Amino acid sequence: GDSVTQTEGPVTVSESESLIINCTYSATSIAYPNLFWYVRYPGEGLQLLLKVITAGQKGSSRGFEATYNKETTSFHLQKASVQESDSAVYYCALGNYNQGKLIFGQGTKLSIKP
Amino acid sequence: EAAVTQSPRNKVAVTGGKVTLSCNQTNNHNNMYWYRQDTGHGLRLIHYSYGAGSTEKGDIPDGYKASRPSQENFSLILELATPSQTSVYFCASGDANRGNERLFFGHGTKLSVL
Repeated sequence: GDSVTQTEGPVTVSESESLIINCTYSATSIAYPNLFWYVRYPGEGLQLLLKVITAGQKGSSRGFEATYNKETTSFHLQKASVQESDSAVYYCALGNYNQGKLIFGQGTKLSIKP
Repeated sequence: EAAVTQSPRNKVAVTGGKVTLSCNQTNNHNNMYWYRQDTGHGLRLIHYSYGAGSTEKGDIPDGYKASRPSQENFSLILELATPSQTSVYFCASGDANRGNERLFFGHGTKLSVL
């Protein structure tokens, strides 16, 4: 079936260090999946961080970036220098334009050490 | 900015009791969704709707009903609550015409069934 697997949390990174959260997907029933990263800050609902709908393209937002790699079925989230305000739970997701549904990974809780 | 409001924010229920979680959106989106979030599982889709009067089963519908009486409102109903339904529930809305490229989430409802 369709699924998303991401880095097991929690993850702790020191401020100004680099970050990578791995995400791999399986899209057996979706010919052209769209890929997303959502983020949930403490006390808030999930919000879209970035999305990429075309294989080979890169999305970026708030210093984060992710590249849609169809060959390795991956969509890793990276940031060169994290800030304390990046502490949150990050969710990788894949979606089917036609079905209108998203399938989420298990979430990765990120904590930034000052 | 699109808005999705869930109520209540916290709920404690007894086993066997009836629980209704409410969701209201002011985005005029066609699609609405109910997810639950459990540690290690990420967000899992319970029920969703394509518009007023429609409800569809998601990936884990057992033990839940849904109701979409209007474009704005989408309720999740637990007729006979069980401790296994203790979780955080998220409602979301999306614009079907745009392929649900972006979902807007509420802040979540924390449900404890004792």
